[in-house]
Amino acid sequence: GDSVTQMEGPVTLSEEAFLTINCTYTATGYPSLFWYVQYPGEGLQLLLKATKADDKGSNKGFEATYRKETTSFHLEKGSVQVSDSAVYFCALMRSRGGSQGNLIFGKGTKLSVKP
Amino acid sequence: GAVVSQHPSWVICKSGTSVKIECRSLDFQATTMFWYRQFPKQSLMLMATSNEGSKATYEQGVEKDKFLINHASLTLSTLTVTSAHPEDSSFYICSAGETGLKYGYTFGSGTRLTVV
Repeated sequence: GDSVTQMEGPVTLSEEAFLTINCTYTATGYPSLFWYVQYPGEGLQLLLKATKADDKGSNKGFEATYRKETTSFHLEKGSVQVSDSAVYFCALMRSRGGSQGNLIFGKGTKLSVKP
Repeated sequence: GAVVSQHPSWVICKSGTSVKIECRSLDFQATTMFWYRQFPKQSLMLMATSNEGSKATYEQGVEKDKFLINHASLTLSTLTVTSAHPEDSSFYICSAGETGLKYGYTFGSGTRLTVV
């Protein structure tokens, strides 16, 4: 079945360090891919998304490129800030034949950024 | 942007009792709502999908008689955990989407259920 695998955390970085959180997926067809972020005490927020191969999603300095050949959607940021400390979830949406689908999530990666 | 309000944020109940969790879309009409369960250090597992005015579709292995879902209006869905047991203790999260997914999926802040 469809699944998402992302690197286990926690990940601890110093401010201004480079961030990579790996995410690979298994799916039939052509899923859409997402990164969600969950700040402490809050719900999940969409960070970025990509709907087809070679698309690059970007937001708030974060980027991820949909790589069909490697079935990956790694999250990157060139210079993290303390405010980026959160749990990051990679997810795919499988289509159910219409515009609505449901999301399959990875286990989440906790990021802590130290000043 | 779209906002989903989920209440309560945490609840403690005794074994054998029932607990209702509400999920409201505040500024859009949620044609579809999803209910997830998250165990510690685990991913979010989809429990069921509900469309307004129709019966919910449950994922394999989820007891529909235990986890009652009602989506009676375009702004409200409820999850009722009936005859709760300690193994039902978990973090429950709802998400909502509207037709055309203008805002994508919007998540509630989750409910921490502890059954004692």
